[in-house]
Amino acid sequence: AQRVTQPEKLLSVFKGAPVELKCNYSYSGSPELFWYVQYSRQRLQLLLRHISRESIKGFTADLNKGETSFHLKKPFAQEEDSAMYYCALKGTGTASKLTFGTGTRLQVTL
Amino acid sequence: KAGVTQTPRYLIKTRGQQVTLSCSPISGHRSVSWYQQTPGQGLQFLFEYFSETQRNKGNFPGRFSGRQFSNSRSEMNVSTLELGDSALYLCASSPGQGASPLHFGNGTRLTVT
Repeated sequence: AQRVTQPEKLLSVFKGAPVELKCNYSYSGSPELFWYVQYSRQRLQLLLRHISRESIKGFTADLNKGETSFHLKKPFAQEEDSAMYYCALKGTGTASKLTFGTGTRLQVTL
Repeated sequence: KAGVTQTPRYLIKTRGQQVTLSCSPISGHRSVSWYQQTPGQGLQFLFEYFSETQRNKGNFPGRFSGRQFSNSRSEMNVSTLELGDSALYLCASSPGQGASPLHFGNGTRLTVT
C-alpha cells in the first residue's frame, strides 16, 4: 500500500522567513514524488517533481529515500506563496494514479 | 493549448438521483483520471481511463462509474446519490497511460441534498 503523510494542516510564517513543508511517504518500491499547489480560486497545478531536480518559484524538494521524505523548502517566503500544498506519490508501473497527502495550508503574513 | 475542461462547474442534486459529469482533456492527452476531493478525506483516486478502457480503479462503490470516448473525452456517473457524495470532483489528463505529471481541471462541485 502507498501512503503520503503531511503532518501539518496549517503552517503560518512571516514574509521573508524560511519555509519547510513536510512530506513523508510509505511505498515499497521506487516512487515518483510531486508537489502540487492550489492557489485561491485556481486549479490544482504541478509545482515540482523530484525527477526534475529543479527549483520552481524558489521552491526545492529533495527526495530522501532513507527517511522516505520529500520536504518542500523555500529560503524566503513571499505573500504570493500563500496556498494549499499537496504532496503526491506515483508508484511504479503503468498507472497514472496519484496518492495525495491531506495537504498543508501555507499562510505567509507581513 | 486549452487546459482540462470540466462541465458543469456546479451541480445540486437530491438523494437517490443520478448525475453525469464531463471532462475534456488537453488536446493530445489520451489518459483521463478522476479524483474526489472532500474536506474530510482529501483527494482520493476514483479511476483512470486510457484508450476507452478503465485501467485502474480506486476504492469506491459500484455506484461510481465512468467511460471514455474515442476522442478521449470522459464522463463520470454517480447513481443513487447519497449525502456523502457531496464533493469537488476533479478530472486530470496526461499524454499517455502512466504518464506524468497530471494536469487538473477546475472541477465540478456536486452538492447532494
